[in-house]
Amino acid sequence: NAGVTQTPKFQVLKTGQSMTLQCAQDMNHEYMSWYRQDPGMGLRLIHYSVGAGITDQGEVPNGYNVSRSTTEDFPLRLLSAAPSQTSVYFCASTYAGSYEQYFGPGTRLTVT
Amino acid sequence: AQSVTQPDIHITVSEGASLELRCNYSYGATPYLFWYVQSPGQGLQLLLKYFSGDTLVQGIKGFEAEFKRSQSSFNLRKPSVHWSDAAEYFCAGGSTGGGNKLTFGTGTQLKVEL
Repeated sequence: NAGVTQTPKFQVLKTGQSMTLQCAQDMNHEYMSWYRQDPGMGLRLIHYSVGAGITDQGEVPNGYNVSRSTTEDFPLRLLSAAPSQTSVYFCASTYAGSYEQYFGPGTRLTVT
Repeated sequence: AQSVTQPDIHITVSEGASLELRCNYSYGATPYLFWYVQSPGQGLQLLLKYFSGDTLVQGIKGFEAEFKRSQSSFNLRKPSVHWSDAAEYFCAGGSTGGGNKLTFGTGTQLKVEL
């Protein structure tokens, strides 16, 4: 098992550009989540999904879109990047009935 | 609202000394609690978890944590710190009524003096 994978590892964007952060898991987990990590703020939930076709907002959803067309993939889209979205992004997954989340290695995004 | 609080932003200990990192939670339902460690530029590694049962939980790397419902705390301890323990530590939690969403504390940066 590869576990939870994220691409790219690093990305630099200009303000206004769009991009998609990829997240995939091969553990057949129903639940997937996106978090962002900022200094002094811990990790904050952006969006999450409880299964294919079902997504919901977390604590800091503004500026981000998600969709879940398959169990394996949960991409995070930035439609118009802003400097405030400079952060490290972590994807996580778990199976229904468990509370232990498995994290990917993270994507470090810089918006200039 | 559900919350997890880590009161200490930075802690410095000498190598070989004991360590305790504080974590307080606020949940109405039965909480499940975790401690993660993150080395610079790295991802999150799970140290230990509490779901139910024995309130003293053993984890990896010699860490343990004790769940105290009366104090709403889940403090992380290690009897003798090694220089390699220098990292940032995050407490996280959720509740059985809150789906599979985790709430993280703001982290405690541990520095180990040789």
